[in-house]
Amino acid sequence: DGGITQSPKYLFRKEGQNVTLSCEQNLNHDAMYWYRQDPGQGLRLIYYSQIVNDFQKGDIAEGYSVSREKKESFPLTVTSAQKNPTAFYLCASSIQQGGWVGNEQFFGPGTRLTVL
Amino acid sequence: AQKVTQAQTEISVVEKEDVTLDCVYETRDTTYYLFWYKQPPSGELVFLIRRNSFDEQNEISGRYSWNFQKSTSSFNFTITASQVVDSAVYFCALIVSGGYQKVTFGIGTKLQVIP
Repeated sequence: DGGITQSPKYLFRKEGQNVTLSCEQNLNHDAMYWYRQDPGQGLRLIYYSQIVNDFQKGDIAEGYSVSREKKESFPLTVTSAQKNPTAFYLCASSIQQGGWVGNEQFFGPGTRLTVL
Repeated sequence: AQKVTQAQTEISVVEKEDVTLDCVYETRDTTYYLFWYKQPPSGELVFLIRRNSFDEQNEISGRYSWNFQKSTSSFNFTITASQVVDSAVYFCALIVSGGYQKVTFGIGTKLQVIP
C-alpha cells in the first residue's frame, strides 16, 4: 500500500534535548512538507522540499531543521532552540510536476510531541 | 497574501441533520485551487475535494456537496443527513499559482455529530 508513515506516534522529550521525527513516503512524490498543528491555529508550514537535496523554510522554521537525502525520506529535527515545541506534527507529500498544478497533498498520521 | 477564513470553529448537529461548513478565501491571483480536507480523531488529514478557479460547477459526492462561488469568494461544504462518522475537523485550503504549491489552511471547523 502506498502512503506516508510517521514515527513515532507519540514522543516525549526533556527540555533542552533535540529530537528527530521520521517521515517516509512510497508514493514516489517529489515534494514533501512538514506542518505543525496547534489547537485553534490550523496547520502552519515549517519546511518543504521540492526535490532531493533541496529544501526551503516555511512560515515557522526557527528552531527546526530538515534534510532530504533520499526522495522518500524527509526527517524533521526539533532543536532545543524551539521555544515551544509541544505540538502535533504532520508530514505531507505531493506530486511536483513540471509547471504548476494545484495538486492535493497526502498526509501521514502525525507525531504528537510533548516536552516535559 | 492569501487568507482562508473558516468562521465556524465548532458545530454540533444531531445525526441526520444537514450541515454546511463555510469557507471564505482571499487572493489576488486569478489562478488558484481550493481544497477541503477531513481530519478525524486519528489525526491524519484526508483529502476530500479540489476545485480550480476556472471551474465554478458545484459538485456532489454521495452525502457531500460543495458550492463554489467566485462572486463571494466562498467554497462551502455541505453534508447531507450527517452521521456520527462525519465527526471530525474539516479544513478548507488554498493554493495559488506559481511558487512551490504553498498551501494556506483555514483554522478548521470541528464538527460533532450527536447520535
